[in-house]
Amino acid sequence: DAGVTQSPTHLIKTRGQQVTLRCSPKSGHDTVSWYQQALGQGPQFIFQYYEEEERQRGNFPDRFSGHQFPNYSSELNVNALLLGDSALYLCASSFLTGAGDEQFFGPGTRLTVL
Amino acid sequence: DAKTTQPPSMDCAEGRAANLPCNHSTISGNEYVYWYRQIHSQGPQYIIHGLKNNETNEMASLIITEDRKSSTLILPHATLRDTAVYYCIVRVAPNYGGSQGNLIFGKGTKLSVKP
Repeated sequence: DAGVTQSPTHLIKTRGQQVTLRCSPKSGHDTVSWYQQALGQGPQFIFQYYEEEERQRGNFPDRFSGHQFPNYSSELNVNALLLGDSALYLCASSFLTGAGDEQFFGPGTRLTVL
Repeated sequence: DAKTTQPPSMDCAEGRAANLPCNHSTISGNEYVYWYRQIHSQGPQYIIHGLKNNETNEMASLIITEDRKSSTLILPHATLRDTAVYYCIVRVAPNYGGSQGNLIFGKGTKLSVKP
C-alpha cells in the first residue's frame, strides 16, 4: 500500500514564475491538506481539500491555490513566486473516522525560488 | 499561533525512556492533544493523540494531567532512530462533512538520542 506521494522532489524556479506541485493521497484517504515549512520552522497550514472543494484555509495569499481531483489527488499552485516562497511543501492525507483522524504526510517538495 | 509550549531541545540516552513535556494551559474541552514527529528531511509522522485519558500504542504513551493543561509523551526505550523534532499540537476534534481541524505546528522539541 503506497503512502502519500508527492512530485516533484525538488524544484528550482525564478521570481515571478508559477509552479504546480502534485500529491497523491494514501489509498482510502479522501482529504488532502497542504503545508509550507520554512527552514527551521514547523509546518504552516495552507489549505485543505475534501470532496473537490477547499474546506479550510490558513493565512496565505490568493497566489496560493489548489485543486482536488475525483480520484482525491491534489495540486498546489503558486503564482508570481517570491523569494520567501522557498520552502518544503508538504502534503498530508487523512480519512475521517469515528475515532478521529491521523494525517499521513508525504516526503515533501523542496521549492527553491531564485 | 500554536497553543502549546515545548522545550526547544532535549537529550536522552539510548535505551532509556524519553519524556517530552508539553504545556497547553488554554486548551478547550473539545480539543485533543496530538503528537507528531519529524525526522530530518522527512514529512511529519503521527505518533498518538488523546482527549483526557492516558493513551498507549506501539510507538509511545501519552500522559495528560487531570486538568488537561499539560501532557507528556513517553518513548519507553529510545533508540537512535527516535532522534527527531517532536511536535505537540492541540486541535479540535475533526467533524464529519469535511470540516477537519488543521494542524497548527509550533517549533517543537528537538530530541537527540545519544549512544
